[in-house]
Amino acid sequence: LAKTTQPISMDSYEGQEVNITCSHNNIATNDYITWYQQFPSQGPRFIIQGYKTKVTNEVASLFIPADRKSSTLSLPRVSLSDTAVYYCLVGPDYGNNRLAFGKGNQVVVIP
Amino acid sequence: NAGVTQTPKFQVLKTGQSMTLQCAQDMNHNSMYWYRQDPGMGLRLIYYSASEGTTDKGEVPNGYNVSRLNKREFSLRLESAAPSQTSVYFCASRSLRGVGDTEAFFGQGTRLTVV
Repeated sequence: LAKTTQPISMDSYEGQEVNITCSHNNIATNDYITWYQQFPSQGPRFIIQGYKTKVTNEVASLFIPADRKSSTLSLPRVSLSDTAVYYCLVGPDYGNNRLAFGKGNQVVVIP
Repeated sequence: NAGVTQTPKFQVLKTGQSMTLQCAQDMNHNSMYWYRQDPGMGLRLIYYSASEGTTDKGEVPNGYNVSRLNKREFSLRLESAAPSQTSVYFCASRSLRGVGDTEAFFGQGTRLTVV
């Protein structure tokens, strides 16, 4: 999987929109961008995936610029229950099938 | 569907003891993974299995062994537990059926304490 870089942590107030960035300068042509969310004491869960431009689902939006070297996960009007670690992954790597998560971005929602 | 099931959920071991963590998935996925997560840290890949009959080392394989028993089951064994192996262990599975299909499903985790 291509290497990704994310901020370590960020705080946000309840009700605000939260934008979480991820850099992936060496993304390959066949790579998709996938985000996972991990609540305390639980395994990560898939939240959104995209290839280019914008993808939206019931949980989040994913913005990918034309050069695809970065992406932004947007969480609308966060609540306390959105406090979690968010991981950005780029792949898949069909060659060796590794799935490495990195440290992720700890998002804390403050009342 | 049960998804990914890990057993046990909690375990306390004495230094030097051995044990096997079990993982089973019922989604017919080809690939399975074992991770450890230490407090405040991200997930670190221990071993993975791209398909039945194959296993490969991840980022932190030392002190562990794995067995891909069949397509459903992927076990992680600690031969001689050490306090440094105190962690939460997660198993995951996924199937690369198509372009971009990287969604992985995780078990609920096993909290292991080595004293």
